[in-house]
Amino acid sequence: KAGVTQTPRYLIKTRGQQVTLSCSPISGHRSVSWYQQTPGQGLQFLFEYFSETQRNKGNFPGRFSGRQFSNSRSEMNVSTLELGDSALYLCASSDGTKIYEQYFGPGTRLTVT
Amino acid sequence: AQKITQTQPGMFVQEKEAVTLDCTYDTSDPSYGLFWYKQPSSGEMIFLIYQGSYDQQNATEGRYSLNFQKARKSANLVISASQLGDSAMYFCAMREIGNQFYFGTGTSLTVIP
Repeated sequence: KAGVTQTPRYLIKTRGQQVTLSCSPISGHRSVSWYQQTPGQGLQFLFEYFSETQRNKGNFPGRFSGRQFSNSRSEMNVSTLELGDSALYLCASSDGTKIYEQYFGPGTRLTVT
Repeated sequence: AQKITQTQPGMFVQEKEAVTLDCTYDTSDPSYGLFWYKQPSSGEMIFLIYQGSYDQQNATEGRYSLNFQKARKSANLVISASQLGDSAMYFCAMREIGNQFYFGTGTSLTVIP
């Protein structure tokens, strides 16, 4: 099976712009979770989608949003980018039923200038 | 309170020696899972080992073992016979049933030849 894929891998944006990141889960997986990783804050949970519905949400402002499509692919959007949004954004997929199963993608490194 | 605490920002180990990475957790939920992930400099999170809260025996996966002490709420990772390729960041994580993953701040392991 192909692993979790994320596009793009690297992105440079300007403060105030918006950005959309994409995640394709492992075939058959219906759950996609998003994380933000920064040197100062570590790995923080953004949200989880399962079968097109948001199942869990972390403590992030409304500028961060996501969605999941019927084929389980997920997108994450950040509007009005701030310098502090520079981070590695990781996506993870699971079949949504096994507590121990979560596979990560390679991440998208976003730099906001 | 922090859900996951990793108190060792950096660790060094001699090649072929064993090393223990510490992790303590906080939950009142009787049902949860504990995980360890490895993150090389490439950025991808690699799943290493899982321990369920009801598992009687410590989990093992090859050179990795999880020293689970439920009463102390600790889940230390033991890497035996360290290899140069083990140099990476290591993250401890916990998931309560139906909830999100919580990650620690990580421990940077350097294996010395």
